[in-house]
Amino acid sequence: GAVVSQHPSWVICKSGTSVKIECRSLDFQATTMFWYRQFPKQSLMLMATSNEGSKATYEQGVEKDKFLINHASLTLSTLTVTSAHPEDSSFYICSARGSGEKQYFGPGTRLTVT
Amino acid sequence: EDKVVQSPLSLVVHEGDTVTLNCSYEVTNFRSLLWYKQEKKAPTFLFMLTSSGIEKKSGRLSSILDKKELFSILNITATQTGDSAVYLCAVEAQQGAQKLVFGQGTRLTINP
Repeated sequence: GAVVSQHPSWVICKSGTSVKIECRSLDFQATTMFWYRQFPKQSLMLMATSNEGSKATYEQGVEKDKFLINHASLTLSTLTVTSAHPEDSSFYICSARGSGEKQYFGPGTRLTVT
Repeated sequence: EDKVVQSPLSLVVHEGDTVTLNCSYEVTNFRSLLWYKQEKKAPTFLFMLTSSGIEKKSGRLSSILDKKELFSILNITATQTGDSAVYLCAVEAQQGAQKLVFGQGTRLTINP
C-alpha cells in the first residue's frame, strides 16, 4: 500500500514553454502533498506544501507565479512550471501524506529545459 | 532557520565493513527524524525516530536518536554493494503541515 505515482517520469521542453507534472496517491487519500526539487548531487529542497482544496504554501524564495500548484482532489496534485528556463532543469519529487504521519514519495520527474 | 547537517558527505568502504552515518539538527518544535535511502529515483523510507535512546533495527541497519545532543546515527553492518546509495536524514517540525527539512545526504559507496 501507500503508492505515489508521478507523470511524466522524464520531460524535455523548450525554453519559454510550460510543463505540467502530476502526482497521484494510488491507494490512499492524501490530505497533504509536498513538492520538492533536487539539483544534481544536492539534497531535496521543499518548494511548497498543498492541502486539498486550498492554496499551496510556498517556501521562501520559490516563485508562486512560476510554479503553479493545484491540489484539486484527495488523490491528485499538479505542479506546472510556467515559462520554463534551463535553470529550472531539475528532478522534481512529490510526496503525499494521508491520515498517518509518514510521507510517501513519488518516483520523481526529471525536467530538462533546452 | 531549521537546519540538518549530515556527515560525512561521502564515504567509500569495502564490502563487509561497518559504517556509521551522522546527522545533527537544529529545528524548532522537533517532531521526528527520518532516514531515507536514495538510489536513482525517489527516497525510500528506512526509519522514523521520535524518542531518544531507543534503537530501531531492520536487518543490518539500525538507527538511534539523541534528542538532548540533537543528533542521530545510522549504522550499517556487513555492508554489501547493494547498500551503495545516498542516505538522507530529514527532520520533521511540528508546525503547520509538518514539513521535512533534509540534510545534504551522505553518498555511500561499497566496493566489492
